[in-house]
Amino acid sequence: QKEVEQDPGPLSVPEGAIVSLNCTYSNSAFQYFMWYRQYSRKGPELLMYTYSSGNKEDGRFTAQVDKSSKYISLFIRDSQPSDSATYLCAPSPDSNYQLIWGAGTKLIIKP
Amino acid sequence: IAGITQAPTSQILAAGRRMTLRCTQDMRHNAMYWYRQDLGLGLRLIHYSNTAGTTGKGEVPDGYSVSRANTDDFPLTLASAVPSQTSVYFCASSPDRGGTDTQYFGPGTRLTVL
Repeated sequence: QKEVEQDPGPLSVPEGAIVSLNCTYSNSAFQYFMWYRQYSRKGPELLMYTYSSGNKEDGRFTAQVDKSSKYISLFIRDSQPSDSATYLCAPSPDSNYQLIWGAGTKLIIKP
Repeated sequence: IAGITQAPTSQILAAGRRMTLRCTQDMRHNAMYWYRQDLGLGLRLIHYSNTAGTTGKGEVPDGYSVSRANTDDFPLTLASAVPSQTSVYFCASSPDRGGTDTQYFGPGTRLTVL
């Protein structure tokens, strides 16, 4: 079993829809949870970062962590075609430890 | 502001050949990383460097070597390329080596080994 699992997709939704991207993990020691966004043929870039459980909001994006279920979610409101990308979750057990990368979910927003 | 540059952009290489992928950053970051990205497997860490003069092995180091002679450059060498090393290679850097430090990625090198 991989430490971090993501559905590879693609997930295709119409413009304006609310998108839910999810990630499960097996290591209960994970405390830091990063979401990176990767456009086609580009390197990943940091989108959001949360610590421990709870929600964090940044504009149209909300990251949610449920440590009891070992489940991480990224919600995108009012989705735009420019949100079409692959979204990678990357948790870490410690602020000084390397990230453990999920394989990513490909998202397509149809105009 | 360039950030991180990688060269070449893409390369087709015969098996058994030696190849060096170049990576340069201009952000004065201490930590640098080399990843490979394969479909369905996500990013896998090959080697990393916490600071100039030091390097460490990641998850998949076999067949690869790195050096960190200065802060800016972090080349990755394939001593004798094999087809299983066909992948997209990303170089990244962060201010320090920590899970919460933002990693900044280069544009990638697409390598095909025949």
